[in-house]
Amino acid sequence: DAKTTQPTSMDCAEGRAANLPCNHSTISGNEYVYWYRQIHSQGPQYIIHGLKNNETNEMASLIITEDRKSSTLILPHATLRDTAVYYCIVRVAAILTGGGNKLTFGTGTQLKVEL
Amino acid sequence: DAGVTQSPTHLIKTRGQQVTLRCSPKSGHDTVSWYQQALGQGPQFIFQYYEEEERQRGNFPDRFSGHQFPNYSSELNVNALLLGDSALYLCASSLLQGAGETQYFGPGTRLLVL
Repeated sequence: DAKTTQPTSMDCAEGRAANLPCNHSTISGNEYVYWYRQIHSQGPQYIIHGLKNNETNEMASLIITEDRKSSTLILPHATLRDTAVYYCIVRVAAILTGGGNKLTFGTGTQLKVEL
Repeated sequence: DAGVTQSPTHLIKTRGQQVTLRCSPKSGHDTVSWYQQALGQGPQFIFQYYEEEERQRGNFPDRFSGHQFPNYSSELNVNALLLGDSALYLCASSLLQGAGETQYFGPGTRLLVL
């Protein structure tokens, strides 16, 4: 799976959009971009994923550049409850690995939302 | 619809002992993965079970073993515990339906080895 690079930490004011970048310059055509977050001492929470098109759900939007070498997770109106470590993960579809779909986590971005 | 559940929530063991952790997948899921998360680190993949067989394994010693039952629930066993095995153990379930399957995590079991 391709390696990802994320800033160690970011701050965001409550009510503003939080834009979390991720670099995955070695991504291959069959690799998905996944985002998870982990609030202190809880299990990681799935946020969103995409292959090459931009995606949006009730939690966030995922913007993937045309060359797929980077992406941005957007939390449109951050709240204090969005304070967490955000992980960007690149993963090949299980059907192409013979069935395994392990996630390889890096150190993520610590997002702190403040009043 | 219950999500992924894990038991126990916390556990204290001493070096050399053995431990068994349990996981029930999200309803409708058939695949269970286990991860170890040391303090301050991201989760590290231990192994994955599908159709009661180990399908994929990370870089963990044979002291770590697992099992999946016909109802898709799973156990993680760790033998000869070391101090370094102290961590949050996470279970994730998914439905192996091809491209784009998503893993959903449980709350974890916090293991402390003294």
